[in-house]
Amino acid sequence: DTAVSQTPKYLVTQMGNDKSIKCEQNLGHDTMYWYKQDSKKFLKIMFSYNNKELIINETVPNRFSPKSPDKAHLNLHINSLELGDSAVYFCASSPSDTNYGYTFGSGTRLTVV
Amino acid sequence: AQRVTQPEKLLSVFKGAPVELKCNYSYSGSPELFWYVQYSRQRLQLLLRHISRESIKGFTADLNKGETSFHLKKPFAQEEDSAMYYCALRVSWGKLQFGAGTQVVVTP
Repeated sequence: DTAVSQTPKYLVTQMGNDKSIKCEQNLGHDTMYWYKQDSKKFLKIMFSYNNKELIINETVPNRFSPKSPDKAHLNLHINSLELGDSAVYFCASSPSDTNYGYTFGSGTRLTVV
Repeated sequence: AQRVTQPEKLLSVFKGAPVELKCNYSYSGSPELFWYVQYSRQRLQLLLRHISRESIKGFTADLNKGETSFHLKKPFAQEEDSAMYYCALRVSWGKLQFGAGTQVVVTP
């Protein structure tokens, strides 16, 4: 019973393509996130949604568009992929009381060639 | 400015030796701090929350507001502790800011 599941696990694509990463959580959490982990393992928040509403939108290029059809799903669509987009993208979720911390997905390793 | 600093990129210890991972923070309010662990090519897992004052897998962390620190400690390192450890600070509602991470390598 995977709590936060992301698909695909690996994604290799050419520059200029458009791709999507899907995330689903079955924990009943209200809030979902996308984080980017770069080649130096640095983690940075990209977006946060609470009950399908966008709460946090960091300085992310507008080629990145999150979509939350319901509070259990948060997908990430990336247009016109660039080499610098290569990274591991982690989805996470948390209850409204974020003192409980986040539950992370297993990550999507995106490689743009 | 809100900041989480993990000064050590890599910490190499022998099995059975004590290990301490440093974390310092900069935050104007009352801090909420966490430690996460990422084993090789796996998802991040919550290790500790400062509010719960618990011990997980033998690790403990104490919030020291005077020194603005939340160091992670374990008295006897095990090989399975080899992983990447991240200190994180809640900087606003729903937003965790992570430190740069410390890679721990435990050698037999």
